[in-house]
Amino acid sequence: AQKITQTQPGMFVQEKEAVTLDCTYDTSDQSYGLFWYKQPSSGEMIFLIYQGSYDEQNATEGRYSLNFQKARKSANLVISASQLGDSAMYFCAMREPLIQGAQKLVFGQGTRLTINP
Amino acid sequence: DSGVTQTPKHLITATGQRVTLRCSPRSGDLSVYWYQQSLDQGLQFLIQYYNGEERAKGNILERFSAQQFPDLHSELNLSSLELGDSALYFCASSGRYGYTFGSGTRLTVV
Repeated sequence: AQKITQTQPGMFVQEKEAVTLDCTYDTSDQSYGLFWYKQPSSGEMIFLIYQGSYDEQNATEGRYSLNFQKARKSANLVISASQLGDSAMYFCAMREPLIQGAQKLVFGQGTRLTINP
Repeated sequence: DSGVTQTPKHLITATGQRVTLRCSPRSGDLSVYWYQQSLDQGLQFLIQYYNGEERAKGNILERFSAQQFPDLHSELNLSSLELGDSALYFCASSGRYGYTFGSGTRLTVV
């Protein structure tokens, strides 16, 4: 079974600084996908960024980028120029294939990011 | 608006009762997933439906059941509710744009 590890339960960062949220994964599959989601205090899960295992370039979406190191099995999220609105819970997830074409997302425990003014 | 609609947003009910959570997937998405988020267990996969058929089961209790209808909306039925069932229940759909989550239903069992 696949596993996602987020080792930082909480992080505190000054506004406008860059922040890196760690994520390591464990899988024996050659083809896989990695996702980052943001969950603000209101509760919804907001998709941020996706990285495929065969993607040669690191994924970027605006202020979000994914530092994908395949050999180390890490997929860290980098947020540049942090804003107060970035304060939220962040989840790393991996798509796990199941039988007969089914699949599911496996989530890490999350990192609570707090941006200080 | 993510395109995935979940109702109701909040639900408070007593132990032993039965509730139904509803999800309408993003337009064009055939797959629907249900997840439970609790403080102690994190985000747990419950069940997946694809075009009306059950595709995969995760950590879903026997007291829970789900179905997906011909119009692709899905319902999660929770019965004989216990205090420990209090959680945020998410529905997600997948398609061309990956996984999209609804805003969740917060269930409180008292």
